[in-house]
Amino acid sequence: QFVLTQPASVSGSPGQSVTISCSGSGRDIGGYDYVSWYQQYPGKAPQLLIYSVKRRPSGVSDRFSASKSGDEAFLTISGLQTEDESVFFCASYTPFSTWIFGGGTTLTVL
Amino acid sequence: QVQLVQSGAELRKPGASVKISCKASGYPFIDNYIHWIRQVSGQGLEWLGWVSPKRGDSFKPQKFRDRVSMTSDTSTSTVYMAFSSLQYDDAAVYYCARDLSSWDRGGFDAWGQGTLVAVSS
Repeated sequence: QFVLTQPASVSGSPGQSVTISCSGSGRDIGGYDYVSWYQQYPGKAPQLLIYSVKRRPSGVSDRFSASKSGDEAFLTISGLQTEDESVFFCASYTPFSTWIFGGGTTLTVL
Repeated sequence: QVQLVQSGAELRKPGASVKISCKASGYPFIDNYIHWIRQVSGQGLEWLGWVSPKRGDSFKPQKFRDRVSMTSDTSTSTVYMAFSSLQYDDAAVYYCARDLSSWDRGGFDAWGQGTLVAVSS
C-alpha cells in the first residue's frame, strides 16, 4: 500500500540503540537526497526529525541520526529513552514532483 | 514561533465537499510552500499536494487533481484545501505542513494540529 517499506515495529531497552530502515527504489530514495524522517505521538501531528537524508533541524536531539545507502534510508536512535516510544515515518521526494511516505514504524522501549 | 492553526472538525455526507483552512504565523507567509497531508485513522501518511503562497499556484498528484483544490490568501496568511466528491475512504485527519525550504522538497518542519474530516451518511 505504501511505496516506502518500513518495519511495522522495533523495540529496544533504555540506553540501547535501534535502527529503523526505509526501503524505496532508485526513483525515490535512490534518486534524491530529499529524504526526511518524522516522529509522531498518539493524537499529535508528526514532527520533523531529519531532512535531506541526515540533517537535523535545530532543537532535535543528537541522539537521532540518519543515513542512506542506495535505495534504503536509515534512522538510528541512540541512548533510547522511554519518551522515544512513538511512531516514526520516512518520506522521500520522487521524480513526479510528489512526496511518498513509509507506512510507519512503532518503537517500543522495553 | 512558526505556527499553523487549522479549522475545526467537519462531518460530511458521501458526495459532499469540504474546505479546510490553515492560518500561518511566525514567519513571512510567502516564503514557504505549504503542503497538505492526510492520515487515515492513525495509519500511514498520504501527500495531497502543495500550494505556493508567493505565486498562488498549486500542484497535486494525479490521484487528487480532479477533486482537490488548494489556494492561498496572502492578506490573511491562510491557505485552503477544498476536497470534493468525498467518499468513505476520504475520512481522515488532514494536516497542513510548511516546507522548510523555499520550494517543494525540503521536508515538513511545521505542522498544523490536524483537521478531522468524517464521512457518514
